[in-house]
Amino acid sequence: AQSVTQLGSHVSVSEGALVLLRCNYSSSVPPYLFWYVQYPNQGLQLLLKYTTGATLVKGINGFEAEFKKSETSFHLTKPSAHMSDAAEYFCAVMPGGTSYGKLTFGQGTILTVHP
Amino acid sequence: NAGVTQTPKFQVLKTGQSMTLQCAQDMNHEYMSWYRQDPGMGLRLIHYSVGAGITDQGEVPNGYNVSRSTTEDFPLRLLSAAPSQTSVYFCANQRSGLGGDTQYFGPGTRLTVL
Repeated sequence: AQSVTQLGSHVSVSEGALVLLRCNYSSSVPPYLFWYVQYPNQGLQLLLKYTTGATLVKGINGFEAEFKKSETSFHLTKPSAHMSDAAEYFCAVMPGGTSYGKLTFGQGTILTVHP
Repeated sequence: NAGVTQTPKFQVLKTGQSMTLQCAQDMNHEYMSWYRQDPGMGLRLIHYSVGAGITDQGEVPNGYNVSRSTTEDFPLRLLSAAPSQTSVYFCANQRSGLGGDTQYFGPGTRLTVL
């Protein structure tokens, strides 16, 4: 079984500041890892994902995440926050192989960006 | 292409009523799934399907039924609604059952059970 823990249910940053959203996972097999963003009253949109290969993954809107196997982490970062980044972010894990799409989500982190 | 569509967007039910949440896709993806989203709990998998005629239970299946007669449609049925089923429901699809494929989400249905 796999699980995902997002540290901090709310993160607040100033516009232009670094964004760091933390995600740790547990999985019995090498996982696939995802970050999704949800804007108010909308569905989830994929930001980025790690499957294989390079451990630093770049996504949309200037976000990136680094898969660190030794730390079982997949933290999401953005060098400079914009007001439009205010949303809820979800980290998710899917077991490797033919997993029939069983995504396990973290609890979510609400990002607030102050002017 | 519409992607993944869900109807209705909002629904209010009384305890004991039944209803069906509709989900449709025009992406010809094999895999479809239903999640519920509750505050502080992320999204939890209710049921999923790896193709027409094949369904299975997820993490929180009690109180819900599904069927998959076509590739395009994957309805979620609440046979006797309970207040604990008040939630936002998302349907998603995925090209195949292989790990690492992206799941695409619909816009959601907000359900309130009184």
